[in-house]
Formats: sequence, C-alpha cells, structure tokens
Amino acid sequence: DAGVIQSPRHEVTEMGQEVTLRCKPISGHDYLFWYRQTMMRGLELLIYFNNNVPIDDSGMPEDRFSAKMPNASFSTLKIQPSEPRDSAVYFCASSRDRVNNYGYTFGSGTRLTVV
Amino acid sequence: GQNIDQPTEMTATEGAIVQINCTYQTSGFNGLFWYQQHAGEAPTFLSYNVLDGLEEKGRFSSFLSRSKGYSYLLLKELQMKDSASYLCAVSGGYNKLIFGAGTRLAVHP
Repeated sequence: DAGVIQSPRHEVTEMGQEVTLRCKPISGHDYLFWYRQTMMRGLELLIYFNNNVPIDDSGMPEDRFSAKMPNASFSTLKIQPSEPRDSAVYFCASSRDRVNNYGYTFGSGTRLTVV
Repeated sequence: GQNIDQPTEMTATEGAIVQINCTYQTSGFNGLFWYQQHAGEAPTFLSYNVLDGLEEKGRFSSFLSRSKGYSYLLLKELQMKDSASYLCAVSGGYNKLIFGAGTRLAVHP
C-alpha cells in the first residue's frame, strides 16, 4: 500500500493566484480529511468527506477555500485567490469506515508559501 | 465546545521516563489517540484508547480516564529519536478527530 499521496510537496505562489492541492487516499478508506497546520493554530480540520460526500466543512476558513472529491481515489483543495496568511502545511488523511484502532493515516503534506 | 489541553514543551534525559498529559472537553467521545510528529513530517499513529485504563505498546503506554477527561502518554527508556511533537486527539462524533496543539519533547543526552 502506497499510503496517502499528496501533491505537490511544496508550492510557492504569489498572492492572488489560484492554488490546487491534490490527494489520493488509501484504497478502501471511506473517509478523507483535509487539515491545515501552522505554528500558531496547530492542526485544524478544514473539511471531511465520507464516501465522496462532504460531511462537515465548518472548518473551511472562507469562501476562498473549496474542496471536492469527484471519486473515491481523488480529492482537491483549492484556494482562490490565495493570501499570505494561507501559508501553512496542508495535510490530507484517510481512514476506514469507522473509528478504529489505527486512527487516520496522513499524507506527507503540502507546504504552501504565499508571497 | 471542544477543548484539548497539553503542555507546550517538555525536556527529558536519554534513558529516562516522561509522561505527557492531556485533558479534554468534547461533545461526544469515540476514543482518544496519540500521534507522534517529527519536524517536517506527517503525524504518525502511536496509540488508541476508548476504554478506561492503560494500553501498553513496547516503550510507549497510554492511559485514559473518561470520567476525568484525562489521558497521558508514557514514554520509557527515552532515545534521542523520541525528540518530536506528541499530539493528543479526540474522536467526537462522526469519526472526526480534533487535535490538541501538541507537546514538543526534547530528549537530551
């Protein structure tokens, strides 16, 4: 199993540009989560999906952020337009259908820098 | 509301034992997790408690008291490679994990 795969690993963009982060969950995992991590706020849950359907997006900071999961093996998180305060590490994680002994498996993250 | 508290930083000596505490207040409870995160890397799963008591896994143990909203992670025979952040996370409803801010542990020779 290749684990949760995120791309790109690093992204540097200028303020106002659109940024798209990508995630491939582990096959057979029905839940997919997007987190953002900063020194100030730690790991924050942005949105999560169950069986490709968004369940809770209360953590999405603003309308500039949107997430989709068109199928069981792919999800995107888009920021448009990006701002310097969006600079953070964005993690995608996946899990099986119910909370279990193994929790979530995280991808390696995308380090986003908006200048 | 939901609140998870853990100390910001701890230091310990190689070979020693360290206990990292976590207190929580959440709406709904389906289990408590501990994750380890080395600098620049993703969090990795360490332990899971859903019932009161101690779960032991090698050098790491985790304890839970649901009535007190309290957990701790115990690390024995500390090694330099244990220097990392340790994240306490609670699963509330709907398989949703909420993380604490993390405890940065520095292990010194």
